[in-house]
Amino acid sequence: GEDVEQSLFLSVREGDSSVINCTYTDSSSTYLYWYKQEPGAGLQLLTYIFSNMDMKQDQRLTVLLNKKDKHLSLRIADTQTGDSAIYFCAESESSGSARQLTFGSGTQLTVLP
Amino acid sequence: DTAVSQTPKYLVTQMGNDKSIKCEQNLGHDTMYWYKQDSKKFLKIMFSYNNKELIINETVPNRFSPKSPDKAHLNLHINSLELGDSAVYFCASSQEWTGELFFGEGSRLTVL
Repeated sequence: GEDVEQSLFLSVREGDSSVINCTYTDSSSTYLYWYKQEPGAGLQLLTYIFSNMDMKQDQRLTVLLNKKDKHLSLRIADTQTGDSAIYFCAESESSGSARQLTFGSGTQLTVLP
Repeated sequence: DTAVSQTPKYLVTQMGNDKSIKCEQNLGHDTMYWYKQDSKKFLKIMFSYNNKELIINETVPNRFSPKSPDKAHLNLHINSLELGDSAVYFCASSQEWTGELFFGEGSRLTVL
């Protein structure tokens, strides 16, 4: 089955860039996503990228996709304390009626003042 | 207005009891989901309904029974609760398949 892996923890200083990495196994993935979960809340979609793209930028967020290596990363520029949260990578298949997201284990980002 | 709302937010109960968690979405979405998040924050899909019809049913004990009275509601009933059922249960909804799920705030279930 599909597998999505992430490192569990990342700490950065306020103002630095954060890079959260993710690897996935399903070569048929057509959409890849980054979700953010703040304490005591549900997940919120941050951004997504189609598999035919290499990069997507949205304000402080940059998503890089290396389809050959099945590697996805999320870079947060000028990281702020409000960015402290758990970040989930997810992938979905495009075929079949039972479409679903497979989530990674989440990366806990801690931003130090 | 809360887009996806779940009740109760916290639920503490004894082993062997039966409990339900309710979910409602006011986004007009056709598809609703239940996810389970364990203590290590790992998130796994349990069920998905599209227009009241079950379309995803992962390997979940049959003690868990989802019910969708209409497309705005998806409830989760759990029979004979076990210690391992302790988790946070998230309801979510989506419209077109863009992968954008709208999550509720979660229902933390603790089984003693």
